[in-house]
Amino acid sequence: GAGVSQSPSNKVTEKGKDVELRCDPISGHTALYWYRQSLGQGLEFLIYFQGNSAPDKSGLPSDRFSAERTGGSVSTLTIQRTQQEDSAVYLCASGDGGPQDTQYFGPGTRLTVL
Amino acid sequence: SQQGEEDPQALSIQEGENATMNCSYKTSINNLQWYRQNSGRGLVHLILIRSNEREKHSGRLRVTLDTSKKSSSLLITASRAADTASYFCATGRNYQLIWGAGTKLIIKP
Repeated sequence: GAGVSQSPSNKVTEKGKDVELRCDPISGHTALYWYRQSLGQGLEFLIYFQGNSAPDKSGLPSDRFSAERTGGSVSTLTIQRTQQEDSAVYLCASGDGGPQDTQYFGPGTRLTVL
Repeated sequence: SQQGEEDPQALSIQEGENATMNCSYKTSINNLQWYRQNSGRGLVHLILIRSNEREKHSGRLRVTLDTSKKSSSLLITASRAADTASYFCATGRNYQLIWGAGTKLIIKP
């Protein structure tokens, strides 16, 4: 079946602009995760959605970052007033949730802030 | 913050040789997972080992877990050019995965 999809694949923006990144999880997966990966680094957890529960936003680096998940499916990560340090690959993953969850990743969105 | 630390940071071996990568972590875990990332296929789950397991196999992959030492190893046997990628360990606690910085593996033909 279809995997996790993300759009756009690449986004170049100017400092100070807002950007929206989209994630379509695998159908039926209740858990959705956003991560950020800087060049040559591991993944940095940003936010976690599980079903209808309140999201875990503990990884969001600043109040310029927000995310929502509509109808328990598609999610949008919004970065307001982008800064150059926001440049990274933003990865979305989905899974069944729970302590032994395997996460299935999308191809990522490469964000470049000029 | 990163919990897992992979060792070595980079590894270059001849095709056909075995590759061993290690991962250390700091806190208690539910499970430890290994993922592979390359430009062609993105980030792909390889294997999950639960905290009450000590060894697990999947094809040419063998993973060990020593919770007393808070460490894990990933062995890839009979390496192939297609194994060239970055390998990450991620420790699972509740629903979160905390990631190391990865080992970059290069398989020379």
